[in-house]
Amino acid sequence: GNSVTQMEGPVTLSEEAFLTINCTYTATGYPSLFWYVQYPGEGLQLLLKATKADDKGSNKGFEATYRKETTSFHLEKGSVQVSDSAVYFCALSDRRIKGAQKLVFGQGTRLTINP
Amino acid sequence: GAGVSQTPSNKVTEKGKYVELRCDPISGHTALYWYRQSLGQGPEFLIYFQGTGAADDSGLPNDRFFAVRPEGSVSTLKIQRTERGDSAVYLCASSSSVQETQYFGPGTRLLVL
Repeated sequence: GNSVTQMEGPVTLSEEAFLTINCTYTATGYPSLFWYVQYPGEGLQLLLKATKADDKGSNKGFEATYRKETTSFHLEKGSVQVSDSAVYFCALSDRRIKGAQKLVFGQGTRLTINP
Repeated sequence: GAGVSQTPSNKVTEKGKYVELRCDPISGHTALYWYRQSLGQGPEFLIYFQGTGAADDSGLPNDRFFAVRPEGSVSTLKIQRTERGDSAVYLCASSSSVQETQYFGPGTRLLVL
């Protein structure tokens, strides 16, 4: 079945450091790929998405490129801030059932940024 | 406008009891999803509604779990004979159509003692 594997946390960085959170997936067909973020005390929010190979999703300084050849969707940010501290989830949409958009999530990566 | 709301925010119950968890989607959203998130894990799909009907309930773990959406808006997730393993955060999400972004509620944290 479809699955998502992401980098184990927790990840701790200093402010202004470069961030990479790895995500790889296994899927039949051509899923859409997502990064969701969960800030402390808040619900899941969509951070960015990409719907086809070589698409780049970007938002709030974060980027991720849909790489079909390596089945990856790594999250990157050039200079992190304390406010980026959160749990990050990589996910794919399972489109095997027509019209269904159920999401398959990775286990999450907790990111802490120290000032 | 208002986002997805879920009530209660926390629920503590005893093993064997019945619980209902409510989800109010964003107004006008036709698609509604339930997920379950265990501690330290990502959310896992439970069931998906398009309008009033359950289009995909393949994620429900067993027949103790049931969900309804009688008028195509509010949904209720029902758990019978709760077990300690049911303890988790139950998340609801809605979208304007099956192809659009899912917006998540804050979740209901269920603890079964």
